[in-house]
Amino acid sequence: SQTIHQWPATLVQPVGSPLSLECTVEGTSNPNLYWYRQAAGRGLQLLFYSVGIGQISSEVPQNLSASRPQDRQFILSSKKLLLSDSGFYLCAWSPTGVGGYEQYFGPGTRLTVT
Amino acid sequence: SQQGEEDPQALSIQEGENATMNCSYKTSINNLQWYRQNSGRGLVHLILIRSNEREKHSGRLRVTLDTSKKSSSLLITASRAADTASYFCATEGAGSYQLTFGKGTKLSVIP
Repeated sequence: SQTIHQWPATLVQPVGSPLSLECTVEGTSNPNLYWYRQAAGRGLQLLFYSVGIGQISSEVPQNLSASRPQDRQFILSSKKLLLSDSGFYLCAWSPTGVGGYEQYFGPGTRLTVT
Repeated sequence: SQQGEEDPQALSIQEGENATMNCSYKTSINNLQWYRQNSGRGLVHLILIRSNEREKHSGRLRVTLDTSKKSSSLLITASRAADTASYFCATEGAGSYQLTFGKGTKLSVIP
């Protein structure tokens, strides 16, 4: 069966510090991978998605970047965090291919920038 | 921008009652999906309905889709306290890898 992992679960970082959040998927090959951010009491905003190694699409201009160094690894990074980067970050995967599939979400990382 | 908009924003009902949540969207879709999120957790997929389907059932869940009105509804029958969560609709456009989520309906089921 497939499993998706995210870490850390919670993170408190000062403004201007770097960020690295990691997501890994087990039990499937060549998944589509997604990073979302959820502000308090809000819906999900798609930040990045990837359909393969090294292929990253960005949905919104921002202070963040993403990388996919391995087939089932997706990393969200920032060189210098802003207060507005605080939120709940969710990684998700779906089977390879264009559309028509549900997405499977990880447990999320709660990021607080102070 | 967010395509799906859920209504109501919050809903409080007694255990055993039915809960109905609505979702409206703006552009043509390939499918519409409903997800549940318990507080502070990741989202869990509930049901996917394709644009050529009108109704779908899964256990106590019933989803309808009206593409002419660009709307969907999620009905949870015989609600339980464990159904307390936020419920989101998400739309997928044709030929897209992406889901666009609404802001969600927060459901509270009182024992």
